[in-house]
Amino acid sequence: DQQVKQNSPSLSVQEGRISILNCDYTNSMFDYFLWYKKYPAEGPTFLISISSIKDKNEDGRFTVFLNKSAKHLSLHIVPSQPGDSAVYFCAVLGGSNYKLTFGKGTLLTVNP
Amino acid sequence: DTGVSQDPRHKITKRGQNVTFRCDPISEHNRLYWYRQTLGQGPEFLTYFQNEAQLEKSRLLSDRFSAERPKGSFSTLEIQRTEQGDSAMYLCASKTGGSPLHFGNGTRLTVT
Repeated sequence: DQQVKQNSPSLSVQEGRISILNCDYTNSMFDYFLWYKKYPAEGPTFLISISSIKDKNEDGRFTVFLNKSAKHLSLHIVPSQPGDSAVYFCAVLGGSNYKLTFGKGTLLTVNP
Repeated sequence: DTGVSQDPRHKITKRGQNVTFRCDPISEHNRLYWYRQTLGQGPEFLTYFQNEAQLEKSRLLSDRFSAERPKGSFSTLEIQRTEQGDSAMYLCASKTGGSPLHFGNGTRLTVT
């Protein structure tokens, strides 16, 4: 059973437009949420996070929104750049608080 | 801080052979994790060390798999009697305190 779901395997956007990546989770005990970015042949790189006591966290062009009642989070990238093209993983932490559980990822392609 | 280092980057082996991978975490990080990633999936948790103590093993880690972190620094992951289903990217990650997980670039294993 998937505890973290990224239902869009891929997303394509034009440079300069907004990219919105979505993630749903099943367990209300999760209390910390992260996004990682992965380029081919590299390991995942931490991008941005949010704790369950907040509903928004912003870092430059990246904003993460958390809707606890819907068990949904999203990552907004604006403006999107071709260098943002990568696989984005949603990850959650909770319960034992030491182990990250990842979604399957969404491949973002930003076209020039 | 040179990041998390994994060796080798690629390993091709024949079914039934044993393989061993090494991970050197970021030096001040006391927590070390092994994850496995297959095509189209996110990283899946395998095992976790705090210093030299192995605190949890996933049910994904069959008895053919063994991980060690003898002095609380580098770690090794050994797979005995490899099977084709073991083909995957094996990722090591480390952290300390409330920091996010820092991943290495992984070891890609191909079992023929």
